[in-house]
Amino acid sequence: DVKVTQSSRYLVKRTGEKVFLECVQDMDHENMFWYRQDPGLGLRLIYFSYDVKMKEKGDIPEGYSVSREKKERFSLILESASTNQTSMYLCASIRQGGSGYTFGSGTRLTVV
Amino acid sequence: SQELEQSPQSLIVQEGKNLTINCTSSKTLYGLYWYKQKYGEGLIFLMMLQKGGEEKSHEKITAKLDEKKQQSSLHITASQPSHAGIYLCGADGIQGAQKLVFGQGTRLTINP
Repeated sequence: DVKVTQSSRYLVKRTGEKVFLECVQDMDHENMFWYRQDPGLGLRLIYFSYDVKMKEKGDIPEGYSVSREKKERFSLILESASTNQTSMYLCASIRQGGSGYTFGSGTRLTVV
Repeated sequence: SQELEQSPQSLIVQEGKNLTINCTSSKTLYGLYWYKQKYGEGLIFLMMLQKGGEEKSHEKITAKLDEKKQQSSLHITASQPSHAGIYLCGADGIQGAQKLVFGQGTRLTINP
């Protein structure tokens, strides 16, 4: 069964900490995405990547960075966590030209 | 940029009743995806529609894309408690870009 795995389901971090959210897919997909989900706002795209070492800003990149050193892994980095980054973070991947994005189970991050 | 509007935002129905969720786009849809999300979890792919007038069914869930490709509906027949969750529509913002934008979601509650 194809999978997108997010390393943590729940995380609690302190304001100012550097936070790493990891996402790994086993489908050899070229494209990977990070979204955050907030009540009433739906899913908003933070960053995406079409290939190794490539990254593009989504709609809300401020306060975030990403890393894609290997095809299967796409990491989201919160350089200095703030309380307004408390949210559900979802990773997704899709094969170039494919249909049907596969999502991870999500990481619920709380910044205190 | 493309925007997706879902209605209603929340829905409470009696078990066994039928229901419809709508998704309206501000621009032509090149690919329309329906996902279901159980509370606090990741998104599960339901269906993808691409052609105007297309209709797909999976078990008791039917999705349609109108001829003008700017609106989609999701219909559930004889609802069951297992149908409860959040339903999201997503669309490729630009043809071939494979960068999904989402509606804000519809929270469905099924009362026994």
